[in-house]
Amino acid sequence: GAGVSQSPSNKVTEKGKDVELRCDPISGHTALYWYRQSLGQGLEFLIYFQGNSAPDKSGLPSDRFSAERTGGSVSTLTIQRTQQEDSAVYLCASSSGLGSYEQYFGPGTRLTVT
Amino acid sequence: AQKITQTQPGMFVQEKEAVTLDCTYDTSDQSYGLFWYKQPSSGEMIFLIYQGSYDEQNATEGRYSLNFQKARKSANLVISASQLGDSAMYFCAMREEGFTIYNQGGKLIFGQGTELSVKP
Repeated sequence: GAGVSQSPSNKVTEKGKDVELRCDPISGHTALYWYRQSLGQGLEFLIYFQGNSAPDKSGLPSDRFSAERTGGSVSTLTIQRTQQEDSAVYLCASSSGLGSYEQYFGPGTRLTVT
Repeated sequence: AQKITQTQPGMFVQEKEAVTLDCTYDTSDQSYGLFWYKQPSSGEMIFLIYQGSYDEQNATEGRYSLNFQKARKSANLVISASQLGDSAMYFCAMREEGFTIYNQGGKLIFGQGTELSVKP
């Protein structure tokens, strides 16, 4: 079946512009996560959605970052007034809940801020 | 706060030999899960193995096994009979698991990774 998909795969933007990154989780998965991976680093948690519960936003690095999940499915991560330090690969993952522990990752969006 | 430490930035192993990738963790939670992921140069994250903090036996998945030593707070990954395709970054991760039926997920905290190179 279809896995987690993300778009775009690559995004180059100028400093100060806003960007939107999209994640389509596996159908039926109730949990959705966003992570960021800077060059040569491990993954850094950003935000987590679980069903209809309030999202866990504890990993968002600043108020320039926000995310929403519409209809319990597709999620959009928005970065406003991008900075060069925002350059990274943004990874989305989903899991099915009900005792599931495996998070299925998408291919990521490589963001470059010039 | 939860923390994962991987002290080996890079490792080399000869093909067909076994290799151990180190991972130590710090948490005050009683219930947690430990994970290993593989990230090849293509960038995808591939789940390898999971160990729950209350699991008494070490987890195994094919050539992968997790050497879980709870008192030492270590969760080392052992890869047996290394193959050239095992060359990749390997990440150890941890998740709080104070589960209720309504909380089946949870953020992963990752280590910095170990780059494994398998030599022919």
